[in-house]
Amino acid sequence: IVLTQSPGTLSLSPGERATLSCRASQTVTSNFLAWYQQKPGQAPRLLIYGVSSRATGIPDRFSGSGSGTDFTLTISRLEPEDFAVYYCQQYGGSPAWTFGQGTKVEIK
Amino acid sequence: EVQLLESGGGLEQPGGSLRLSCAASGFTFNNYAMNWVRQAPGKGLEWVSIISQSGDKTVYADSVKGRFTISRDNSRNTLYVQMNSLRAEDTAVYYCASTLGHKWEAFEIWGQGTMVIVSS
Repeated sequence: IVLTQSPGTLSLSPGERATLSCRASQTVTSNFLAWYQQKPGQAPRLLIYGVSSRATGIPDRFSGSGSGTDFTLTISRLEPEDFAVYYCQQYGGSPAWTFGQGTKVEIK
Repeated sequence: EVQLLESGGGLEQPGGSLRLSCAASGFTFNNYAMNWVRQAPGKGLEWVSIISQSGDKTVYADSVKGRFTISRDNSRNTLYVQMNSLRAEDTAVYYCASTLGHKWEAFEIWGQGTMVIVSS
């Protein structure tokens, strides 16, 4: 399964809403769709799994939605620490785990 | 503190071998399946391999199948990957990552990564 994220770069100001898209080439098995945040020089951090479940310690301004082949990560109000690259990831296709190419959220 | 600490990266020639290690602490290691995920310089994330909690099941990405071997020592809380027949395209930061508890659908705990450079 190929995951295509859009846009490649999102330029926004702190306090604005961010909407990131992830589209799969086939239906994602059992909605096994996750989102990660990665800052420069750091490891990725799990934000969302199972389309919409927040991982431990993730603030509620992060939310996930979608089904089938179309998924969205929404950051309701951007904080300065939210500017980073975001990856979606699916499980259950072939290969079993694949990531999207990433969306960079940068300060406008 | 929950922690994964990778080691063993470095510069290796094409065709050579490297063994990476990942030491776990702060959680019950043998309750989690473990993975290697890599990231080429300036690129996105690529899942490499997974090993089950007991070590009896392993799965590999096609790009490394037959060249990489994942293993674990639960008595030492350590994950390994033996990388043979290295290619330039294996150049990447290699992260070890746990699954999400007993669920294999996502990667919850990540190490800081170790850099592997394959070049002559």
